[in-house]
Amino acid sequence: GQSLEQPSEVTAVEGAIVQINCTYQTSGFYGLSWYQQHDGGAPTFLSYNALDGLEETGRFSSFLSRSDSYGYLLLQELQMKDSASYFCAVRDDSGGYQKVTFGIGTKLQVIP
Amino acid sequence: GAVVSQHPSWVICKSGTSVKIECRSLDFQATTMFWYRQFPKQSLMLMATSNEGSKATYEQGVEKDKFLINHASLTLSTLTVTSAHPEDSSFYICSATGTGAYEQYFGPGTRLTVT
Repeated sequence: GQSLEQPSEVTAVEGAIVQINCTYQTSGFYGLSWYQQHDGGAPTFLSYNALDGLEETGRFSSFLSRSDSYGYLLLQELQMKDSASYFCAVRDDSGGYQKVTFGIGTKLQVIP
Repeated sequence: GAVVSQHPSWVICKSGTSVKIECRSLDFQATTMFWYRQFPKQSLMLMATSNEGSKATYEQGVEKDKFLINHASLTLSTLTVTSAHPEDSSFYICSATGTGAYEQYFGPGTRLTVT
């Protein structure tokens, strides 16, 4: 089966940079996604990495190393509204069909 | 952008009754839809994956006779919780992807409370 590990909580200061790491174990790996979820809301898509390297989208960047089964989400110029849970998710076909499995989520608290 | 709706947003039902939750893709054709449940402060647990016109694939530990999933068209999937019990109370979220797409578009979720 699949397993993902990410920190459960992170606290960072407004305006700073924070990195949320994710390691995974799976077979039939397709790619790693990141989602943001505010309390009481639904997840929203942030990024997807299928190949090694860094993908940048505004203040958010995501990195993947397939050989290390590792990725991270980098948030720059943190704003108070960035306080939310961030989930890494692995897309694979280890069960014979494509599906996405989510990590436990990292609760980010941005403080003034 | 792609929009997925869910109905109802929240529902309270009595033990033993059945509840149907609808998930619709409003502006794209969803070849695959996923159903998740999420307990407070926990991650999303995949319940099943459904492709239009075929039977859903359930994750291990999910009772297919209790959680009936129908993906009748490219824009609609339904989840029916049959003979609901208080332990079924949870936040149920659907998501959808188009053909060959990797980005999942999530519905707003349905909060189910079984009394």
